[in-house]
Amino acid sequence: EPEVTQTPSHQVTQMGQEVILRCVPISNHLYFYWYRQILGQKVEFLVSFYNNEISEKSEIFDDQFSVERPDGSNFTLKIRSTKLEDSAMYFCASSPQGTDTQYFGPGTRLTVL
Amino acid sequence: GENVEQHPSTLSVQEGDSAVIKCTYSDSASNYFPWYKQELGKGPQLIIDIRSNVGEKKDQRIAVTLNKTAKHFSLHITETQPEDSAVYFCAASDGRGNKLVFGTGTILRVKS
Repeated sequence: EPEVTQTPSHQVTQMGQEVILRCVPISNHLYFYWYRQILGQKVEFLVSFYNNEISEKSEIFDDQFSVERPDGSNFTLKIRSTKLEDSAMYFCASSPQGTDTQYFGPGTRLTVL
Repeated sequence: GENVEQHPSTLSVQEGDSAVIKCTYSDSASNYFPWYKQELGKGPQLIIDIRSNVGEKKDQRIAVTLNKTAKHFSLHITETQPEDSAVYFCAASDGRGNKLVFGTGTILRVKS
């Protein structure tokens, strides 16, 4: 069964550094999302992406964040200058055309020191 | 914007008993309600979902009910097993391609 994959599984970085989190959505899916989950809290929406552009973003997704689909398979989330409060699990999800169902990847745990 | 509330925050049941988790939503435009199971260190896994044109859906030991008038929906797990122990999240969305708004999660513990 096809799955969303994410790399790395764990990223440790120093405050102020740039990080890029990578995702490979399920092939032929057209909608892509990033969510984050701070330890012990609920999953929060960051951004959705369709047709090579951002379709919606939350107030969390400020100028420090960006997303890109550099080729036909990868979907990346970049944090330009990490803060301590960016420490969280980041989940990528994808959805096929014509359905509401979102399939989540296993997540990347980001730790900012 | 949409707000989803979920209760209880923790639930302990004996193996074989039933478990019920309840969610309420605020936005009447929401029309899609999935439930996700999250095991430790893993991503949310879809276990069942329901759309607003349906009042109930069942899949083996799992069922979901939706009351659009009251804006609440519930997850029912019957004959619980130890492997059902996990965190369960409800969510709501107002359409295809749109974001999911999650509830705060329920830690389910099934004691054997």
